[in-house]
Amino acid sequence: AQKVTQAQTEISVVEKEDVTLDCVYETRDTTYYLFWYKQPPSGELVFLIRRNSFDEQNEISGRYSWNFQKSTSSFNFTITASQVVDSAVYFCALTDSSYKLIFGSGTRLLVRP
Amino acid sequence: ETGVTQTPRHLVMGMTNKKSLKCEQHLGHNAMYWYKQSAKKPLELMFVYSLEERVENNSVPSRFSPECPNSSHLFLHLHTLQPEDSALYLCASSQDGRGGTFGAFFGQGTRLTVV
Repeated sequence: AQKVTQAQTEISVVEKEDVTLDCVYETRDTTYYLFWYKQPPSGELVFLIRRNSFDEQNEISGRYSWNFQKSTSSFNFTITASQVVDSAVYFCALTDSSYKLIFGSGTRLLVRP
Repeated sequence: ETGVTQTPRHLVMGMTNKKSLKCEQHLGHNAMYWYKQSAKKPLELMFVYSLEERVENNSVPSRFSPECPNSSHLFLHLHTLQPEDSALYLCASSQDGRGGTFGAFFGQGTRLTVV
């Protein structure tokens, strides 16, 4: 069965601090896709990244970076030099051979000035 | 226009009412989804349509009835809802039913309150 676990319910940091959001997943498939989404107060989910199970190369996009480790079934997300605008709820998600995009429970990030 | 548009943004309905939520995508995707987001609960997948056929129905109560007349439109028909159905209902679309190469794109949601 699929499962995505985001153990951190809420994180609070001061602006310019680095912060890592954890994501652990479960699937029986060898081919799967992992995602991160951001949900600002306006409500819509904003796609940030998708990775497939065959590509463990870490990725950096500006202040965002992602660390995918199949050995630990983790897909962690780091924001470097956080800003107030990064305050949002962040969701990790998984899809495999089934037609399901399953989300974790989300991590609320508060960046204080 | 945004990629995925949901209407209405807010809806208050009585338990005996019938209403419909509408979703329209302008991205040329062929898969569409309904999710429910309640307070203190994870996003719950309700329905998935791929190429206008329902491929997933996550044991959703029959008081929720989806309709996908074409690849650009998705409806969620509501009738005799319960107060616990109050939630944010999110529509999404993607290139395929597995979340798409560039992820699923979400609308801003309909905030539903059942009184």
